[in-house]
Amino acid sequence: DAKTTQPNSMESNEEEPVHLPCNHSTISGTDYIHWYRQLPSQGPEYVIHGLTSNVNNRMASLAIAEDRKSSTLILHRATLRDAAVYYCILRDHPGNQFYFGTGTSLTVIP
Amino acid sequence: EAQVTQNPRYLITVTGKKLTVTCSQNMNHEYMSWYRQDPGLGLRQIYYSMNVEVTDKGDVPEGYKVSRKEKRNFPLILESPSPNQTSLYFCASSPARLKSYEQYFGPGTRLTVT
Repeated sequence: DAKTTQPNSMESNEEEPVHLPCNHSTISGTDYIHWYRQLPSQGPEYVIHGLTSNVNNRMASLAIAEDRKSSTLILHRATLRDAAVYYCILRDHPGNQFYFGTGTSLTVIP
Repeated sequence: EAQVTQNPRYLITVTGKKLTVTCSQNMNHEYMSWYRQDPGLGLRQIYYSMNVEVTDKGDVPEGYKVSRKEKRNFPLILESPSPNQTSLYFCASSPARLKSYEQYFGPGTRLTVT
């Protein structure tokens, strides 16, 4: 089973960029890298996903290392509403299981 | 509004008393899943279903049952709850299209078993 490793917690100042790292050294060629976040007292919500190339959407950017053994979620300008637990997950394609792990708790300092 | 709903949101019960937590989605998604969330352990997948009448075990299926008789519903059944099943439970759904596996999560059900 492919697993991910993330720092337990990180801090960022408001309106500054945030780089959230994730290691997934056992990733296989068909594993997609997904990121979700969980705001306090809510269910997780999808942020972004990718396979090999860097990806951008309205919420964030995902930078994937060339060897795919690590990735970084980039929030371009952190806001107080971005304070959440961020999960890096591998999902085998066309696999059906998700492995969430414990995630990174992001604190945004005003 | 596209959503995943769970009921009840909060439940306190006693050991051994059978209970069902319902999950329903209105997005016509093929894939549905149940997770439990415990402090220090993150989210762990209990069961998932790729479509009607197709269910599979996740990482922590012991003590749980599921059924998928209709596409929109995926109830979680605890036949004989025990205190170690006290947890926060989330239901999720997603389309099963090849490139789009974004999961939509429900609001959660906090279960306490005494």
